[in-house]
Amino acid sequence: AQSVTQPDIHITVSEGASLELRCNYSYGATPYLFWYVQSPGQGLQLLLKYFSGDTLVQGIKGIEAEFKRSQSSFNLRKPSVHWSDAAEYFCALRTTSGTYKYIFGTGTRLKVLA
Amino acid sequence: KAGVTQTPRYLIKTRGQQVTLSCSPISGHRSVSWYQQTPGQGLQFLFEYFSETQRNKGNFPGRFSGRQFSNSRSEMNVSTLELGDSALYLCASSLQGFDYEQYFGPGTRLTVT
Repeated sequence: AQSVTQPDIHITVSEGASLELRCNYSYGATPYLFWYVQSPGQGLQLLLKYFSGDTLVQGIKGIEAEFKRSQSSFNLRKPSVHWSDAAEYFCALRTTSGTYKYIFGTGTRLKVLA
Repeated sequence: KAGVTQTPRYLIKTRGQQVTLSCSPISGHRSVSWYQQTPGQGLQFLFEYFSETQRNKGNFPGRFSGRQFSNSRSEMNVSTLELGDSALYLCASSLQGFDYEQYFGPGTRLTVT
């Protein structure tokens, strides 16, 4: 079955510390992969996407993610977290064959300590 | 450029009623997708419309339906509301569909009592 797993429901980091958010997927082929961020009361904003090619993807707000086919992972990283990064982060997969579907992970809520 | 707008932002309905939500995509975008977000199930894809045709569909019962107009505006209808339909309903627009970046609206918060 196709699925996206974000193992960490909550993560707390200190401002200025580095961040890694984990995302694992289950899909029979190489999917399209996305990271979105959602602030309270807001819709989702796309941070970055992977379709093919270079497995290290750069996004907005100093964020990057690395696609690892062997581990079925697409982890997000940020070298230094700012208080304004506190939000919920969603990893998503888009299927690449048949009827296209978007599958989202359950999200990781990031708290930033001053 | 104006973003995706959704109306109304908040809605309270009673079980058994029906509801219609509206989404206006970014100008020039032809694809509109709908998602349901709940604390228990997370974000789930409902359906996608492109040029007035439903192109992709998630695993939701027939009570959930939608349509898209010639100006790309879309409506989603839920009939015979159930308590479990309480959710944030998000609409996303994109230029051509899933191959392109989706821009999300702020959502409509539906509460069913």
